[in-house]
Amino acid sequence: GIQVEQSPPDLILQEGANSTLRCNFSDSVNNLQWFHQNPWGQLINLFYIPSGTKQNGRLSATTVATERYSLLYISSSQTTDSGVYFCAAPAYSGAGSYQLTFGKGTKLSVIP
Amino acid sequence: AAGVIQSPRHLIKEKRETATLKCYPIPRHDTVYWYQQGPGQDPQFLISFYEKMQSDKGSIPDRFSAQQFSDYHSELNMSSLELGDSALYFCASSLGDRDRVEQYFGPGTRLTVT
Repeated sequence: GIQVEQSPPDLILQEGANSTLRCNFSDSVNNLQWFHQNPWGQLINLFYIPSGTKQNGRLSATTVATERYSLLYISSSQTTDSGVYFCAAPAYSGAGSYQLTFGKGTKLSVIP
Repeated sequence: AAGVIQSPRHLIKEKRETATLKCYPIPRHDTVYWYQQGPGQDPQFLISFYEKMQSDKGSIPDRFSAQQFSDYHSELNMSSLELGDSALYFCASSLGDRDRVEQYFGPGTRLTVT
């Protein structure tokens, strides 16, 4: 199945700093999703971005499908950005279903 | 906008007991997925349903079963609970079961087995 790798595994930022999180995937994909898991465990959909660039406030994401990677940019980080960021890509099981395969995540800590 | 609803949000059970987790997908979504996330782990796929039929299974123990009902809500039944079943259980829904659709996740059910 597809392999999804994220880097860095851990990141500590001073409030107000910018950061870039990377997601590499082993096969071509038609779907790539970014999630933020907050300290309470909720998994928040950030971006559905199979290709191109999207922006939502201080967050933006870019997927270069031909080179099999995606980037998540966080600008002017805030303490509420802390948590774990996951990227996920669909894996075809051969049984007609596309479940998501997640990377191991990047744990972000934003300190005041 | 309506989101995926999961109940209960928290559940505490003892070993060898049973548990039932419920998932209500976004209206008009016909596909439901269940994922399990252990402590410090990434979510792992358990099982999925499309149009009320099981479409795929992941690493789901035989002690677990699930179904999707006529109103598209889904239930995950877990029997003979073990300590290792303590985890976050997420339900996700999508419109269609294809790779070009976005999966929307619910808030999760935190199951603690003591």
